[in-house]
Amino acid sequence: DVVLTQTPPTLSATIGQSVSISCRSSQSLLDSDGDTYLNWLLQRPGQSPQLLIYSVSNLESGVPNRFSGSGSETDFTLKISGVEAEDLGVYYCMQATHAPLTFGSGTKLEIK
Amino acid sequence: EVQLVESGGGLVQPGRSLKLSCAASGFTFSDYYMAWVRQAPTKGLEWVASISYDGGSTYYRDSVKGRFTISRDNAKSSLYLQMDSLRSEDTATYYCTTGSFDYWGQGVMVTVSS
Repeated sequence: DVVLTQTPPTLSATIGQSVSISCRSSQSLLDSDGDTYLNWLLQRPGQSPQLLIYSVSNLESGVPNRFSGSGSETDFTLKISGVEAEDLGVYYCMQATHAPLTFGSGTKLEIK
Repeated sequence: EVQLVESGGGLVQPGRSLKLSCAASGFTFSDYYMAWVRQAPTKGLEWVASISYDGGSTYYRDSVKGRFTISRDNAKSSLYLQMDSLRSEDTATYYCTTGSFDYWGQGVMVTVSS
């Protein structure tokens, strides 16, 4: 199975600060169809997960543009440009290139 | 408004069965692959199973293969997960989600314990 390693496991930020989360894959996530199926999700406390970014860098409808994704092959990054209070929660990367689908272990964002 | 509403969870003894349902509305259900994702208490997310648009293809994680069955009824816009031979390690909140993971239900708790 593809292992997704997220760092850091915990992140503490002040409002307005920019932060980045890394997701490294044990295998290339570039699919034979040319797409890279690496997504980012946010799970706020007590809520269901929410899709933020799909296919590395595509912003899901309704998601604020302070969220951005980048990367390729095995190294990916989620950046939040100007953290807001509502951004607290656990961020997960997930891959859908290889079966079985797998998730990273999560990065908990705390607001100082 | 898109809605996915799970039901059917509860407390069940090891070795017994449970069937989860997910009622979808607000989108064309038959246009989407669907999936179940679970989350054990205080743990991360874990994909369980997926099903194609017409139900003709199904996919499972190894630990549930042969025990769980994913199915769908497009006429009723509903997704199901039949869970047999349940184990304590199946204890989790089970989420119904579209195959593109853009819509999620609120989750339903399944507790396997004697």
